[in-house]
Amino acid sequence: QVQHVQSGAEVKKPGASVNVSCKASGYTFSSYNINWVRQAPGQRPQWMGWINAGTGNVKYSQKFQGRVTFARDTSATTTYMELRGLTSEDTAIYYCARDKSLRGNPLFDSWGQGTLVTVSS
Amino acid sequence: SSELSQDPAVSVALGQTVRITCQGDNLNNYYPCWYQQKPGQAPLLVMYGKNSRPSGIPDRFSGSSSGNTVSLLITGAQAEDEADYYCLSRDTSGNEVIFGGGTKVTVL
Repeated sequence: QVQHVQSGAEVKKPGASVNVSCKASGYTFSSYNINWVRQAPGQRPQWMGWINAGTGNVKYSQKFQGRVTFARDTSATTTYMELRGLTSEDTAIYYCARDKSLRGNPLFDSWGQGTLVTVSS
Repeated sequence: SSELSQDPAVSVALGQTVRITCQGDNLNNYYPCWYQQKPGQAPLLVMYGKNSRPSGIPDRFSGSSSGNTVSLLITGAQAEDEADYYCLSRDTSGNEVIFGGGTKVTVL
């Protein structure tokens, strides 16, 4: 079955960087975009961007441009999200999600379990 | 950019029908999808397109649209339907993916 398993919780100091991984299984990894979404406590989810698992092409949300980098390892069917310059406002659960966009409409059909990133001095 | 507006909370008696709405100017061009999220869990896709349910989603969930408002209907709400529901679509530029503010559904 389609599955995405993310790396474990992280605690970081302000100014540090965090790297979260997302391992895909159960489908042809290179055929899809993987999106990254974060959700701060009590807030709506927030889209961060996507990486095409086949080509490596990326698109970042304007809000995170310059501070986030996506990468993928096709042999490991894993995508990675690095967020730099962390502040307390980056404390959130970070999710990866497969995109099965339908005629231009985003459609995130399978999500990872989430990775809690806590930024605290 | 643009926004997707949802009512913050709605309650429904067990077995009754509840409508959750998502309003946005961009919804004339894009169909949103709907997610159910329970505490401590990742969002779960429950509806997409005009009125399509992923495999495993009960048929008490249905979708409809009218102009710039899209609705998720739960007919015969069950206790396990109590959750937060979010709509997701693109902004008016088409460049950003945005989520609605979420609707907390309470089943009484």
